[in-house]
Amino acid sequence: NAGVTQTPKFQVLKTGQSMTLQCAQDMNHNSMYWYRQDPGMGLRLIYYSASEGTTDKGEVPNGYNVSRLNKREFSLRLESAAPSQTSVYFCASSDVGTSTDTQYFGPGTRLTVL
Amino acid sequence: GNSVTQMEGPVTLSEEAFLTINCTYTATGYPSLFWYVQYPGEGLQLLLKATKADDKGSNKGFEATYRKETTSFHLEKGSVQVSDSAVYFCALRGVGYSTLTFGKGTMLLVSP
Repeated sequence: NAGVTQTPKFQVLKTGQSMTLQCAQDMNHNSMYWYRQDPGMGLRLIYYSASEGTTDKGEVPNGYNVSRLNKREFSLRLESAAPSQTSVYFCASSDVGTSTDTQYFGPGTRLTVL
Repeated sequence: GNSVTQMEGPVTLSEEAFLTINCTYTATGYPSLFWYVQYPGEGLQLLLKATKADDKGSNKGFEATYRKETTSFHLEKGSVQVSDSAVYFCALRGVGYSTLTFGKGTMLLVSP
C-alpha cells in the first residue's frame, strides 16, 4: 500500500513554462486535494475534487488547473509558471463521510520558478 | 469563515521538557479538529483528532482536548524527545465541509 504518491519530487521551471504535477492514491478514497505550502503561510488549498468527475476551487486557484483523471489520479497543471508559484505542493486524499475520514498526504513536490 | 490560529515558533525545548502548543479556532457549530505533524522533507501525517466537544485525542504521548467554551485545541506532551522535532499544524474541518483549514504551523526544536 503506497498511500499517496506524487511526481516529480523536485522541479525547476523558467517563467512561462508549463508543467503538470501528478498525484495518485491507492486507498480507494473519494476525495482528493491539492495544497501549496509557503513559509509562514501554512497550507493553502488550491483545488479539490470531492468525487470522481467533480472539481472545485479552493482558497488560491488562480494560475492553476486540475484534472480528476479517474478515482485514483488527480493532476495539477501550471499553464504559464510564475515566480510566485515557487512553493512546495502537496496532494492529499480522504474518504469523506466515513468513520476513517482523515486526509492522507503525499511527500510533496518542490517547485522553483526562475 | 473558518480560521485557525496557532502560536508562532520556533518552540525550543530541552529533552524531557513539557510541551504545549496553543491552537484556537473560529468556526460555526462543532467542527472536527486535527493536529498534523510534518518531519523535515516529508508530507504531513495525522497526529490526533477530536470530533466533538470534550473529546480528547491522543497518540504517541501527545494529547489535545476539544474545548468548545474556549474554542481551543491545545497540543501537549509530558516529556518531549529529540525525535519530536518537527512542524506541527492545527487544522479544522467545518460542519458540512470536506476541506481542511490549517493554521500556519509551529516549529518545535528539541535539544539533547
